[in-house]
Amino acid sequence: DAGVIQSPRHEVTEMGQEVTLRCKPISGHNSLFWYRQTMMRGLELLIYFNNNVPIDDSGMPEDRFSAKMPNASFSTLKIQPSEPRDSAVYFCASSPGTYSEAFFGQGTRLTVV
Amino acid sequence: SQQGEEDPQALSIQEGENATMNCSYKTSINNLQWYRQNSGRGLVHLILIRSNEREKHSGRLRVTLDTSKKSSSLLITASRAADTASYFCATESNYQLIWGAGTKLIIKP
Repeated sequence: DAGVIQSPRHEVTEMGQEVTLRCKPISGHNSLFWYRQTMMRGLELLIYFNNNVPIDDSGMPEDRFSAKMPNASFSTLKIQPSEPRDSAVYFCASSPGTYSEAFFGQGTRLTVV
Repeated sequence: SQQGEEDPQALSIQEGENATMNCSYKTSINNLQWYRQNSGRGLVHLILIRSNEREKHSGRLRVTLDTSKKSSSLLITASRAADTASYFCATESNYQLIWGAGTKLIIKP
């Protein structure tokens, strides 16, 4: 398996634009996580899906953020409208189940100018 | 949310020396995991220790867990330049992984 695949690797966008980040988890994993990492706040869990169903989205910072998982092999994180303070590295991770290790993608470095 | 607290925040040692990093946490856990992150890359899982285990080894890595003190340590023996990275502990509780702020390890050649 190629591991967790995220796209794009880098995204530079202007404030107010919509940004969509994409993630393909490892086949057979039933848990998917979206994280945001910044120097100031460290690694923050944004949302957790289990079997394609959002279980915990309490980490989603604002209504500008939304995430979907239409099927077991694809998830998106959308920011609309984007703001400079959204600049961060966004990671997607998948896991074969609870009490298991997480496998991370390479991340998307988002810069909002 | 962050539960784990890594200590120290940064550590710089000579190649060949041992590196020890500590992690403390607050709530009961199912397991504790250690991850490594190289600059600009995703996190890579190193080792998982379950709450009923006290010590675990993997190659040059040794992890201990003391649930009475709610703490864990990661020992890297005979460090190499390639071990330079940030190291994070994560506690698993109620399906969530809760992360510490990490220890930045620098191995000097």
